[in-house]
Amino acid sequence: GAVVSQHPSRVICKSGTSVKIECRSLDFQATTMFWYRQFPKQSLMLMATSNEGSKATYEQGVEKDKFLINHASLTLSTLTVTSAHPEDSSFYICSANANYGYTFGSGTRLTVV
Amino acid sequence: GQSLEQPSEVTAVEGAIVQINCTYQTSGFYGLSWYQQHDGGAPTFLSYNGLDGLEETGRFSSFLSRSDSYGYLLLQELQMKDSASYFCAVRVANNDMRFGAGTRLTVKP
Repeated sequence: GAVVSQHPSRVICKSGTSVKIECRSLDFQATTMFWYRQFPKQSLMLMATSNEGSKATYEQGVEKDKFLINHASLTLSTLTVTSAHPEDSSFYICSANANYGYTFGSGTRLTVV
Repeated sequence: GQSLEQPSEVTAVEGAIVQINCTYQTSGFYGLSWYQQHDGGAPTFLSYNGLDGLEETGRFSSFLSRSDSYGYLLLQELQMKDSASYFCAVRVANNDMRFGAGTRLTVKP
């Protein structure tokens, strides 16, 4: 089946630094990937839609300069949280459309201290 | 706007049957999906309904009524490992999936 590999699974960083999260589609080509953020005991909130070879589409209220998305190939999309602050601590998950269902990466638990 | 409503919590005992309902109001509709998420893990796809009716996959079934903007996930023969959060999701456009707030299912012995 369709697999999306996401790294790292956990990261702890200091406030003010940047963190890059990678998502790779392993056995299919993903022209579009989605980035979600999930706070504890809450639902998945779509942050942005990443399109291969073009600029990402951000949801209202999501700062494009803070959450940099790059989708340079059909199998790789990256999310960089720039100048991270404690309020950015969350669970970040990518997904790609695989037929009727979306396949999710394993998620990245970001803690900013 | 888009809204999906589902109960926040459901509790049931092992071996029982539980139904999680989802009602939606969205600008578009291309199908209703269900996902399971265990604490600390990523969501995993359970089922998809593009047309009205019942889809059965083992112990799990999902139903859709497009005229009522309503669907449900039915879990039979509950097991402890079924304790998780369950999300309904509507595909509102070609590449736009919106999730409900999730239903936390607790299965007790």
